[in-house]
Amino acid sequence: QVQLVQSGGGVVQPGGSLRLSCEASGFLFSSHGMHWVRQAPGKGLEWVAFIRFDESDHFYADSVKGRFTISRDNSKNTLHLDMNSLRPEDTAVYYCAKDWARLSYVDYWGQGSLVTVSS
Amino acid sequence: DIQMTQSPSSLSASVGDRVTITCRASQDIRKYVNWYQQKPGKAPKLLISHSSELETGVPSRFIGSGSGTDFTFTITSLQPEDVATYYCLQYEDSVPLTFGGGTKVELK
Repeated sequence: QVQLVQSGGGVVQPGGSLRLSCEASGFLFSSHGMHWVRQAPGKGLEWVAFIRFDESDHFYADSVKGRFTISRDNSKNTLHLDMNSLRPEDTAVYYCAKDWARLSYVDYWGQGSLVTVSS
Repeated sequence: DIQMTQSPSSLSASVGDRVTITCRASQDIRKYVNWYQQKPGKAPKLLISHSSELETGVPSRFIGSGSGTDFTFTITSLQPEDVATYYCLQYEDSVPLTFGGGTKVELK
């Protein structure tokens, strides 16, 4: 069965950096695009970033462009999100999410990682 | 970006009631809508894809319909385990994916 196990997260000061990771199993990781989606406390879901199956392209929400970087290591079935210049409004639960195909929709989600940006 | 307007934002219903949630897209998205269920403290779960296709293992009381700009999600007979927040998602444009604002379903 598909599993997405996330690590990373925590409390960071404004302007700081953090890396989230997601280890995938149960499917052919190198054949699927991957997303990050976040959810601020008490709020709805917001798409953050996408990376193609072969790392050939990346896309970002305007709210994180230039500050966040999505990457993957297909040899280790791992997805990453490097977050720099963090702001209080980046406080959220971040979900790693599998694309149904190459670039389509999310079908499976990780358990979530809480990122709190606060001084 | 395609906007998804979901309503109502919350509702209260009794066990056995029929519950209906709607999503309206800001442009024609054909049938590229999914519905997700999120229980408190948990990740979302995909229930319905491509407007009306029930995912494996999802109870048949969950029904999706619609095309173009107007979409409907129905729980035909609300059960206690259905208490959750439900989200629609459009993927006509996969970048960016955009979600509806969510509907919190509670028991009366």
